[in-house]
This record gives sequence, structure tokens and C-alpha cells, in this order.
Amino acid sequence: GAVVSQHPSRVICKSGTSVKIECRSLDFQATTMFWYRQFPKQSLMLMATSNEGSKATYEQGVEKDKFLINHASLTLSTLTVTSAHPEDSSFYICSASQHGRSGGYTFGSGTRLTVV
Amino acid sequence: EDQVTQSPEALRLQEGESSSLNCSYTVSGLRGLFWYRQDPGKGPEFLFTLYSAGEEKEKERLKATLTKKESFLHITAPKPEDSATYLCAGGSQGNLIFGKGTKLSVKP
Repeated sequence: GAVVSQHPSRVICKSGTSVKIECRSLDFQATTMFWYRQFPKQSLMLMATSNEGSKATYEQGVEKDKFLINHASLTLSTLTVTSAHPEDSSFYICSASQHGRSGGYTFGSGTRLTVV
Repeated sequence: EDQVTQSPEALRLQEGESSSLNCSYTVSGLRGLFWYRQDPGKGPEFLFTLYSAGEEKEKERLKATLTKKESFLHITAPKPEDSATYLCAGGSQGNLIFGKGTKLSVKP
């Protein structure tokens, strides 16, 4: 079945630094990739949607200059949290979509970001 | 406004005690109702997609059903390994709108 690999699984960084999270579709070409953020006991909140080769579409309230998304190929999307602050600490999850597949949203294993 | 509401927030069952989880949705242009399982510190794992009212799908001890306003995830004779958070999501215009989930705990 479809597999999405997300790295790193955990990262701790100092306030003010940037962190890059990678999301790869291993056995299919992902026409669309999604980035979510999840707080404890809360639902997954969509941050942005990206299509290969085009700019990401950000949800209302998400700072596009802070959360940089690159989707340079059909198998790789990256999320860079720039100038991270403690309030950016969260669980970030990517998802890849392959049109036409039943249940066509496959999720990565998530990245726990802690900013100290 | 599109919304997905799950109940209960938490559910504790004894092993073998069957029950149901509820997902109420108001999603314009619904393109599929999805159920996922999420273990702590992990991403969601796909369980089912339902597309039309009356549709049912089964997988081991789980059965998902769909009406025009709700979906139910029935768990028959659960085992401790079924303990997880179960997420419901409505598909709309290419993305998913998630509920907050139901945390299921099954005690031996």
C-alpha cells in the first residue's frame, strides 16, 4: 500500500533557529501534499496545501513566511519552520494524496517539534 | 461552516464489550467520510472511506456506517490492542476536515 515517510520524528531546537521537516511518498507520486498541525487533545488543523511545482495555499491565520513549504517533486515536500519560538512547539503531520485512490490520503508518522 | 463533531470524547470499555463511536458532520460538497486510527505520537492510519448514505464497510472488529448526517464506527468484542484515538474526517474540495477524535481505552 501507499507509504509516506516523514522525518525527523522528533526534533528539539533553540528559539530563533529554523527547522526543516521532510515528507516523502515512497511508492506513489503524490499530486498534492498537505501539512497539518495537531495540539494535544485537538483535531488535526490543516496548515497548507501544496501541489508539485506550484506555490502552497495556506489556510487563514497561517503565516506563509514563517512556515515555508516546498513541493519540488511528486515525491517530496518540505516544511521549514523559520525563526522558531516556543509557541511553535507542536506535532506536525504531512499527508499525501493520490487522486483516484479510495482512501487516497496517506499520512506520515508525524514530527514532534519542541522549541526551547 | 464545515464541521465534524465526534462523541464521546473518551470511551473506556472492558475487553469484549461492544460499543459505537459517533461522528456528526456538516460538510458542504462532501466527498467521502473517512475514519482513521491514531496511536500516541504517530500519524493517522487509514481505516475506511464511505461515500454514500447506507454504505457500510468492515475490517476485523470494526464496522463503519454512514447516514446523511452521521457516521458510526461500531467496535465488536474489542481487544486491548484496539485502544487508540479514532478520528473521523469529511473530505471536501481536496482536503480533510477532522473531528477531535474519540480516545478509546480497552481494559483486559
